Amino acid sequence: DAKTTQPNSMESNEEEPVHLPCNHSTISGTDYIHWYRQLPSQGPEYVIHGLTSNVNNRMASLAIAEDRKSSTLILHRATLRDAAVYYCILRDSGNDMRFGAGTRLTVKP
Amino acid sequence: DTAVSQTPKYLVTQMGNDKSIKCEQNLGHDTMYWYKQDSKKFLKIMFSYNNKELIINETVPNRFSPKSPDKAHLNLHINSLELGDSAVYFCASSQTAGRGAGNTIYFGEGSWLTVV
Repeated sequence: DAKTTQPNSMESNEEEPVHLPCNHSTISGTDYIHWYRQLPSQGPEYVIHGLTSNVNNRMASLAIAEDRKSSTLILHRATLRDAAVYYCILRDSGNDMRFGAGTRLTVKP
Repeated sequence: DTAVSQTPKYLVTQMGNDKSIKCEQNLGHDTMYWYKQDSKKFLKIMFSYNNKELIINETVPNRFSPKSPDKAHLNLHINSLELGDSAVYFCASSQTAGRGAGNTIYFGEGSWLTVV
């Protein structure tokens, strides 16, 4: 799977939007962009994924650059419960998912 | 009902022992996984099974042996436990057939293994 680059950590204030960036300059045409998050002492959970078009769901939005070499996960209003490690992952097959170091998001009240 | 459940949640055992972690998914998925998260918090895939057949076997010591009696279960047996095996082990599942790279993986809550 192609590699992704994310900032090690980010901070946000509660109730404000958060934009979590991810660079994936070596993405291939068949790679899906997945975002997962891991809350403290829990297993990773699915957030959102996309291929080319921007995506919205109840948890977040995913903005994908036109050249697909970067993407941004958008949490519209951060809550304390959104404090987690966020992983941006490229996936080109159905057989595995390989995690990087992710971005640790801290949400301040 | 928990979608992916693993037992035990916590396990403390001595070096040299043999232990098993069980995993069951009730999502009807055809693919299951084991991941290891070490003290540095890196999540690494260990094994992947599709329809009870091993499809991914990363560089894992052969003391680790996964067993899939049916599509809904993937157990992890570890022989001769070592201190370095202390970690959190996550089981996961997904529906691979027909959805490929766009499908979602569902994780269990983890099994905290401590080897003393």
